[in-house]
Amino acid sequence: GENVEQHPSTLSVQEGDSAVIKCTYSDSASNYFPWYKQELGKRPQLIIDIRSNVGEKKDQRIAVTLNKTAKHFSLHITETQPEDSAVYFCAALYSGAGSYQLTFGKGTKLSVIP
Amino acid sequence: DGGITQSPKYLFRKEGQNVTLSCEQNLNHDAMYWYRQDPGQGLRLIYYSQIVNDFQKGDIAEGYSVSREKKESFPLTVTSAQKNPTAFYLCASRVGVGETQYFGPGTRLLVL
Repeated sequence: GENVEQHPSTLSVQEGDSAVIKCTYSDSASNYFPWYKQELGKRPQLIIDIRSNVGEKKDQRIAVTLNKTAKHFSLHITETQPEDSAVYFCAALYSGAGSYQLTFGKGTKLSVIP
Repeated sequence: DGGITQSPKYLFRKEGQNVTLSCEQNLNHDAMYWYRQDPGQGLRLIYYSQIVNDFQKGDIAEGYSVSREKKESFPLTVTSAQKNPTAFYLCASRVGVGETQYFGPGTRLLVL
């Protein structure tokens, strides 16, 4: 099955700096890569996603890049703010045989220091 | 996300007891999922269902059971066979032809 590795597990940045979280996946058939933000005790919320036919996607201060050859994708947050502090999860979707299963990384706890 | 509800918010289980977690969605989504989240871990798939009256085991199905009698409901039973049930349980749903999963607010299960 699919395996997703996420690094780093914790990340501290100064307010206004950029943050980068990286994920690798194992199954080259995976074709959809969402990123979720989870605040303490809350549900994961989708913040951005990318499909395998696209190399980069941007939405205001967040962007995701995908390198299919190397099987890795990254989340970039610019001009970080204290409200960006949360746990971020990457995931990879394998949709072979119509199963649509997401495999998640173990998460990155981002702390933005005011 | 507001269209997916889970109850209760907190649930306490005694030794040897089966407990059932509720998940309801009014989004007319075809597929529904149950995940378990432990501290410092990602989300691990317990069971999923793509259509009514059909469901498949995920990566950690042992000690759990589900049913899908209605499109909007996908309850999860944590049986006494699950020896370490303390965790945060998240339900998610997905529209039939889409890839995005949307999560409910979760149920925190604790063992007395």
